[in-house]
Amino acid sequence: QVQLQQWGAGLLKPSETLSLTCAVYGGSFSIYYWSWIRQSPGKGLEWIGEINNSGSTNYNPSLKSRVTVSVDTSNNQFSLNLRSVTAADTAVYYCARRYGGFDSWGQGILVTVSS
Amino acid sequence: DIVMTQTPLSLAVTPGQPASISCKSSQSLLHSDRKTYLYWYLQRPGQPPQLLIYEMSNRMSGVPDRFSGRGSGTDFTLKISRVEAEDVGVYYCLQSIQLPPTFGQGTKVEIK
Repeated sequence: QVQLQQWGAGLLKPSETLSLTCAVYGGSFSIYYWSWIRQSPGKGLEWIGEINNSGSTNYNPSLKSRVTVSVDTSNNQFSLNLRSVTAADTAVYYCARRYGGFDSWGQGILVTVSS
Repeated sequence: DIVMTQTPLSLAVTPGQPASISCKSSQSLLHSDRKTYLYWYLQRPGQPPQLLIYEMSNRMSGVPDRFSGRGSGTDFTLKISRVEAEDVGVYYCLQSIQLPPTFGQGTKVEIK
């Protein structure tokens, strides 16, 4: 049974960089895409981007200019960096495993952007 | 991006009665591999979404058989044959035939 455990800073000021990491326990790391998804009251569920174990990435065009997703295969972890955050980036951020759909999710982290 | 439109946005159901949620996509989700890349999720309060149905009509392991999914290339339905108290939450559809994957806006199911 795969488990995803995520961590990172929950309170940021405008213009700072959001950084989150997700560790994957159990299951294969190599055959999936590893995604970041966020959920805010205003925009619902929004896919941010993903990476596979080879480092191949896909990003949502709406966020691509500010997003980097990276992978650490030696520790079965992947990370999200979102630069130049504003209040509009306030949301619960989830990591998730994708094979077609998202079948396993992290617990979610509320990230608040406020001055 | 493919737009996913769910109806209704909210639903109040008497326990034991059926419920049905519609999801329409702006493009066909039927792939040349003959799979339909449509998924259904339930999100309970304070929890991440839980995958119920994958590839339009396949139940995930452990999902009760009162949940079923059906549809065509652009029109999809999630049916709950007899709603139970534990089924309350927000239901989402998701398409992944094309990047970026996109979700419907959600249908909130409550018990009367």
